[in-house]
Amino acid sequence: DVKVTQSSRYLVKRTGEKVFLECVQDMDHENMFWYRQDPGLGLRLIYFSYDVKMKEKGDIPEGYSVSREKKERFSLILESASTNQTSMYLCASSSTGASTDTQYFGPGTRLTVL
Amino acid sequence: DAKTTQPNSMESNEEEPVHLPCNHSTISGTDYIHWYRQLPSQGPEYVIHGLTSNVNNRMASLAIAEDRKSSTLILHRATLRDAAVYYCILINFNKFYFGSGTKLNVKP
Repeated sequence: DVKVTQSSRYLVKRTGEKVFLECVQDMDHENMFWYRQDPGLGLRLIYFSYDVKMKEKGDIPEGYSVSREKKERFSLILESASTNQTSMYLCASSSTGASTDTQYFGPGTRLTVL
Repeated sequence: DAKTTQPNSMESNEEEPVHLPCNHSTISGTDYIHWYRQLPSQGPEYVIHGLTSNVNNRMASLAIAEDRKSSTLILHRATLRDAAVYYCILINFNKFYFGSGTKLNVKP
């Protein structure tokens, strides 16, 4: 079975801190994604990566950056955390970029920025 | 981008069928219709997908309107474990849109 793991289930940070959220998948998938999930807004795509060192902006990239140095690992970086970045962050991976592909999600990281 | 519209919530009795609707009036010819569900405290999981024809798998059925502007996810016999938020998503290669989903409540 595909497994997508995220480094923390819960995280509390202070405004202005640099925050790293890590995601690892074990199925040699090409594509990896970062979403945030907020009540009433569903899932919104922040960034995705279709290959090592490649990235593309999603719908809400402002205030975030990403890093993909190895195929299995995709990191989301909040350069200077703000309270409006308090949210649930979900990582996902998929085999290819095909429209029929299944995305496999991690359990999520609930980030609180004080 | 094409978007989807779903009711905020629905309720069902255990052991009864459930029909979860989704409107996607701006769908393009190459958009696939996917359904995912999110159980409490978990990430979303894949349920089913289709392009034009109705689809069945062990979890559910997907009925797609002839004009593809709407679809319906059918759970044939709801169980308490089916209580979740169900998302209808349009996917075209790496372009996709998650709506806010339908929260399904299953009553015993």
